[in-house]
Amino acid sequence: ETGVTQTPRHLVMGMTNKKSLKCEQHLGHNAMYWYKQSAKKPLELMFVYSLEERVENNSVPSRFSPECPNSSHLFLHLHTLQPEDSALYLCASSRDSGGVTGELFFGEGSRLTVL
Amino acid sequence: GDSVTQMEGPVTLSEEAFLTINCTYTATGYPSLFWYVQYPGEGLQLLLKATKADDKGSNKGFEATYRKETTSFHLEKGSVQVSDSAVYFCALSDRGFNKFYFGSGTKLNVKP
Repeated sequence: ETGVTQTPRHLVMGMTNKKSLKCEQHLGHNAMYWYKQSAKKPLELMFVYSLEERVENNSVPSRFSPECPNSSHLFLHLHTLQPEDSALYLCASSRDSGGVTGELFFGEGSRLTVL
Repeated sequence: GDSVTQMEGPVTLSEEAFLTINCTYTATGYPSLFWYVQYPGEGLQLLLKATKADDKGSNKGFEATYRKETTSFHLEKGSVQVSDSAVYFCALSDRGFNKFYFGSGTKLNVKP
């Protein structure tokens, strides 16, 4: 496998469920990101990890909980979500760990529907 | 704070038509500018970039010039194809850390 892989591609959950989104990158990158994509809105940066440390948390509600066990894997744990959390969640990675701008590599996204 | 504004879509063109998608930005420093493209059912992928004023990014027939005086980075293509149908995102990245700011995306539909 190459690039950035996200699983599951589609997820339907009730408001009381607990689920997780998984992201894996095979590019040897140092930084990983979670973005939320909603219709007709800019991509919203949720979390940034650099060398497995969280360096950005963009005022995301606590019902979203990220985890980065190593530089290749990133999780987004979900619990007691709201219908307005339904969106496409995109994972991305980049080579740089800070101080230098670079290209983002995206996964195909996980389409989340909250009932 | 930093932000990106791009024209709302959808944009519908006939094949071989000229394309312009406008993008303007607000930034406190000297950002790099990007265009990303998202084909149906896929994630975003980099289309082109420019890292300093007056640079021109180009790829697959698309071009965009970093205009500091007008804070713009408009995307152009001389002759679009049906396969160019996708959503196009303008983005900027500041120098402090890898924080990317994206526009809301412009959907392009190209009809045969």
